[in-house]
Formats: sequence, structure tokens, C-alpha cells
Amino acid sequence: EVQLVESGGGLVQPGGSLRLSCSASGFTFSSYTMHWVRQAPGKGLEYVSGISSNGGSTYYADSVKGRFTISRDNSKNTLYLQMSSLRAEDTAVYHCVKGPFSSGWDNYFDYWGQGTLVTVSS
Amino acid sequence: EIVLTQSPDFQSVTPKEKVTITCRASQSIGSSLHWYQQKPDQSPKLLIKYASQSISGVPSRFSGSGSGTDFTLTINSLEAEDAAAYYCHQSSSLPYTFGQGTKLEIK
Repeated sequence: EVQLVESGGGLVQPGGSLRLSCSASGFTFSSYTMHWVRQAPGKGLEYVSGISSNGGSTYYADSVKGRFTISRDNSKNTLYLQMSSLRAEDTAVYHCVKGPFSSGWDNYFDYWGQGTLVTVSS
Repeated sequence: EIVLTQSPDFQSVTPKEKVTITCRASQSIGSSLHWYQQKPDQSPKLLIKYASQSISGVPSRFSGSGSGTDFTLTINSLEAEDAAAYYCHQSSSLPYTFGQGTKLEIK
């Protein structure tokens, strides 16, 4: 059974930093693209970032480019999102999401984690 | 950036009714359009991939159609458990984008 378990969320002040982790199990983590999708409270879904299976290719939404860094450790089956210079508008539940392929970006999202809440507030 | 516009935003429906949700893209995206269901306090679940391809484990009452800019999610014979928000998502070009969502309420 595929499981994606996020951690690392919490309350942080504007301008602060946070690192999210996603522990994956139930599939060969190193063979698939992985992504982060966020959802502000009571709002819709917003794509944040993605990374290819070997970590060689990444993508960022304009809203987080230069502030967030996606990475993965295939030896630990773990996906990360390093977030810095956080703003109030980054407040959201951050979902770790699995893609169906090892590379390429024409991806749907076949499994989602429950998410971890990040609240940016003073 | 490709904008996806869903309609309606909200619909109140009775069980066994047929429901149609549409998703219109601001430019052609071929068949790179996917549908998700999100129940309250749950994460989204994939319902349909590439406009019309079914997903293992998803009830057959859910189906998708369309290509280019106009897409449809159809739920035949709605059940009470289908109360949820539904989102379309395009993967034709980065950044991926989602529709604003359609909330289905069961009367």
C-alpha cells in the first residue's frame, strides 16, 4: 500500500524558514517523480514544486521560486521542501504527491499524503 | 499559465441524479486533463486521468470526456458518498494548474 506521510509543519513568523519532509513507503520511491501541492484553508489546490526521480530536474511555481527548494533522498525514501522567506500567503496544508512516471512533466497525481499545515503569522 | 475554469462552483443534487461538471481550459491542452475528488478533511483522490481514462478502484459511475479546451466529468446515479469537492488539473504545460473546484452537496 502506497503511503505518503508529511511532517515538519507548524507556526512560523513571516520571514522565517521551515523544512517539510515526506516519508514514502509501499512503492519504489526512486522510480517516480514527486511533487508538493498546497491548499490554503478553505481554498483550492495550488501546485508548488516537483522533482524528477533522480533529482536532476526540478520545477517551481513562480509564487515560490527563489524561496523554496525541493529535494529528495532516495536512500531514505524521503522528499523535502525547504521553505524560506515565508509569507502569510504561504499559509496552507502542504501535500506530498506522487507522480506516475520517472521523468517528464505530463503527470497526473496518483497518490496524495494527508498533508501538513504551515501557518505563517506573527 | 493555463487557466482552468470549472462550472458550476456549487451544485445541490439528489441521490440517483446524473451530474455533469465542466472544465474549460484557456488554451488547448490535448487530453492532459485529470479529475480529483476531495471529501471533507481528506486529501484529493484521482478519479480520471487523461480526460477519459478510468482509474482502478474508482466506481464506474464516474466518467470523463473531452479534449482540447472543453472537458466533462459525469457522475451517473449519484450516491450520498459522492458529496465532495471536485477539481480538474492540467498537465499539458508547467505550471500545472487546477480548476477552482466544484462543490457537490447531496440533498
